[in-house]
Amino acid sequence: NAGVTQTPKFQVLKTGQSMTLQCAQDMNHNSMYWYRQDPGMGLRLIYYSASEGTTDKGEVPNGYNVSRLNKREFSLRLESAAPSQTSVYFCASSEAGQGWGTDTQYFGPGTRLTVL
Amino acid sequence: AQKVTQAQTEISVVEKEDVTLDCVYETRDTTYYLFWYKQPPSGELVFLIRRNSFDEQNEISGRYSWNFQKSTSSFNFTITASQVVDSAVYFCALYDYKLSFGAGTTVTVRA
Repeated sequence: NAGVTQTPKFQVLKTGQSMTLQCAQDMNHNSMYWYRQDPGMGLRLIYYSASEGTTDKGEVPNGYNVSRLNKREFSLRLESAAPSQTSVYFCASSEAGQGWGTDTQYFGPGTRLTVL
Repeated sequence: AQKVTQAQTEISVVEKEDVTLDCVYETRDTTYYLFWYKQPPSGELVFLIRRNSFDEQNEISGRYSWNFQKSTSSFNFTITASQVVDSAVYFCALYDYKLSFGAGTTVTVRA
């Protein structure tokens, strides 16, 4: 089992460019999440998907969109990247199907994104 | 207001010393969950432990131990006889209606 995988590992964008971060899990989990990690701020939730076919905003959704492609895959899109979106992005998954968070979330290795 | 406070930003110790990481949380819910995650220099987040609010029994797992005290809203984590491989950022997290992370404590263990 690979657990949670993310691509790419590193990315540099210019302001205004778009890109999609990919995430996949092989644990048959129902819920998936996208976080960003900034120095001194811990992790903040961008979007989550409690189950296949549903997505909801988290704490910092502005500037992002998501797609739950199927049960395994949950992508995060930056339509017009801004320097404020320079961060490390983590995808996570958990078994919970109804809500989220009460069970343990397992994280991918992260994507380090720099927007110039 | 911060829901999870990790007051220690950085801790540096010499190998074999014990390290205690403080975590104080704030919630109005009676049912909640607490977590500790480790982030080594390689960057991934590793799940360490989860406790629910009804289980105050402290736990020991190898060199790790956790002290959960509802009366003081604290969920502290101790590494006994630290090793260089314990060097990492440690995050405390609280789930009540959402998962909130503390800012993290960077632990450096010197040989």
